[in-house]
Parts: sequence; C-alpha cells; structure tokens
Amino acid sequence: GAVVSQHPSWVICKSGTSVKIECRSLDFQATTMFWYRQFPKQSLMLMATSNEGSKATYEQGVEKDKFLINHASLTLSTLTVTSAHPEDSSFYICSASGTGIMNTEAFFGQGTRLTVV
Amino acid sequence: AQSVSQHNHHVILSEAASLELGCNYSYGGTVNLFWYVQYPGQHLQLLLKYFSGDPLVKGIKGFEAEFIKSKFSFNLRKPSVQWSDTAEYFCAAIRTSYGKLTFGQGTILTVHP
Repeated sequence: GAVVSQHPSWVICKSGTSVKIECRSLDFQATTMFWYRQFPKQSLMLMATSNEGSKATYEQGVEKDKFLINHASLTLSTLTVTSAHPEDSSFYICSASGTGIMNTEAFFGQGTRLTVV
Repeated sequence: AQSVSQHNHHVILSEAASLELGCNYSYGGTVNLFWYVQYPGQHLQLLLKYFSGDPLVKGIKGFEAEFIKSKFSFNLRKPSVQWSDTAEYFCAAIRTSYGKLTFGQGTILTVHP
C-alpha cells in the first residue's frame, strides 16, 4: 500500500512553545490530508481536513488558531500546535488520500506522541 | 449525525477462540467500510475494506467481515485468534461522495496464550 510518513514520532516541549508535525506521502500525491487526535482509551477524533492549496476545514470545537494546518504541496502537510499547553498532550495522527483509486482509502502515518511539560 | 459505533471496548479471549467484533454505522446512502488494526507501538494498518460486491470480505491474517446493509453492520470475524492478534481494532466508514473517514471508538482485543 501507499506510504505516509509522519515526523517526529514523539516530541516533548515546554508549555508555551510551538511544535510542528510533518506528514508526507512518499509514493503518491495526497490531494487530501486529515489530522486526527487520539486520547488514551478513545477513538481517533478528526481535527481537520486539508486539501492541497486550500485552507483547512476544521471540525467543530477545534481551534484553528491553535492548530495551524498547512498543505502547500501534494506530498506534505504540517500541523503546528501553537503555544502548547499540557492539555494538548496527545497522540496526533495524519492520513492522506489521493485521486482516483487512491481516493477510496486513507493511508495513515505512524503518529506523533506530543507531551507538553 | 453520521457515526460509527463499536459495541465492545475490551474483549479478552484465549488462543484458538473465535472472534466477532461488532460495528454499526449510521450513514445513509453508499458507504465504504474499513477495519483497521493498531498493534502496540505501531501505526494503524488496514485489515480489510468493503466497497461493493460480495458482502463477505476477506482481509489479511485470516480476518473477514460481513456487510449487512439491512442492519447497517460490518462485523469483523476470525475463526481462531492467536496471541499476536492482541491489538486495538477500529471500524471506520467513509461516504463515497465525501472523503471524511469516521472511526468507531475502538475495541481492544487481548488474547491470552
């Protein structure tokens, strides 16, 4: 299957700082990328959907000024957690889908464990 | 609202037992359905998917799922589980007209040797 690479796998940052997470599709063009957040013992919660070259569409309750999403190319999307606080500590996962047959399935990155101290 | 519901949060089985994990969705219209697995410390992997055709779908590692349209269900089954099947399993659905994948709450499967 297609490969989506997420970086970093884990990050620890101080409260008040910003953290950028990258999501890359390695062998296909990702026209749409999704960012999820997973709390312990809970399901993946969709945060936002981004289409290449367009502004991201955020789910209800997700602060767009806090979680900045950029999808400037067909192979890269970034999620920046601005002014991170301990409650932002979570597991963030991206997924990507493409065109044609690649639009019928989402391929997942390995996730990023963010710990804010 | 569109949703995907998994009935069991945690299932504990012994090796060789049979497995069935329930999944129901609330979408109307045409949907694509998926089961993903997340092994400890690893990322989500696709087990199987249903788009159309034969409602009994076979996936990797001996898993299968049956799409029952009248029940809005897509239950995952395996006749004989192994210790290595210990993982968390997620059911997911996507409307074919809109690429937004919605996940169920997940079911943790623990298989004792």
